[in-house]
Amino acid sequence: EAQVTQNPRYLITVTGKKLTVTCSQNMNHEYMSWYRQDPGLGLRQIYYSMNVEVTDKGDVPEGYKVSRKEKRNFPLILESPSPNQTSLYFCASSSLGVAGNTIYFGEGSWLTVV
Amino acid sequence: AQSVSQHNHHVILSEAASLELGCNYSYGGTVNLFWYVQYPGQHLQLLLKYFSGDPLVKGIKGFEAEFIKSKFSFNLRKPSVQWSDTAEYFCAVNASNAGNNRKLIWGLGTSLAVNP
Repeated sequence: EAQVTQNPRYLITVTGKKLTVTCSQNMNHEYMSWYRQDPGLGLRQIYYSMNVEVTDKGDVPEGYKVSRKEKRNFPLILESPSPNQTSLYFCASSSLGVAGNTIYFGEGSWLTVV
Repeated sequence: AQSVSQHNHHVILSEAASLELGCNYSYGGTVNLFWYVQYPGQHLQLLLKYFSGDPLVKGIKGFEAEFIKSKFSFNLRKPSVQWSDTAEYFCAVNASNAGNNRKLIWGLGTSLAVNP
């Protein structure tokens, strides 16, 4: 079954404590991306990756890092989380083969920074 | 800059009522259009998408949408809703010439509640 798996699904952490949200897909997709969803602001792209070792900033990259060492994994790293990073995070993946291919989403990770 | 506007933030319907959710986008070039649904506690799922061809697109669960290029619109419709359609609905756009970034520009979503 085609899946994008995120962990953890729910996390409460304290300001400044580094955390990583993992994302893994089993579809051999080249493209992966992270979004955050906030009330009144919708979903905004944080980072994306077109393939292994190729990453680029989206619209709201500040305070985040990513890496793409393997095709299937695209972790989101918050080196020093702050309360304004409290949000719902979605990982997404897609093939780059045909324009407009379906983008698959993970189940979301609720992050609260206190 | 691209943007997507969803007209209704909250919609409440009774079962068997007809549904139409409005979506307008601003972008001068060729676009790919999507409707995603997010059921309570679940991930975003694709309802339907338009790339080219017939502007009337059929999706899953009886949903359809019509692309009207002259109006920059991609409204979602369902003739008869069910309680299980209660969810958040998102319209999204991806510019066809966006290169390799499959970034979607999202509307703010419409929360649909269907009363049994």
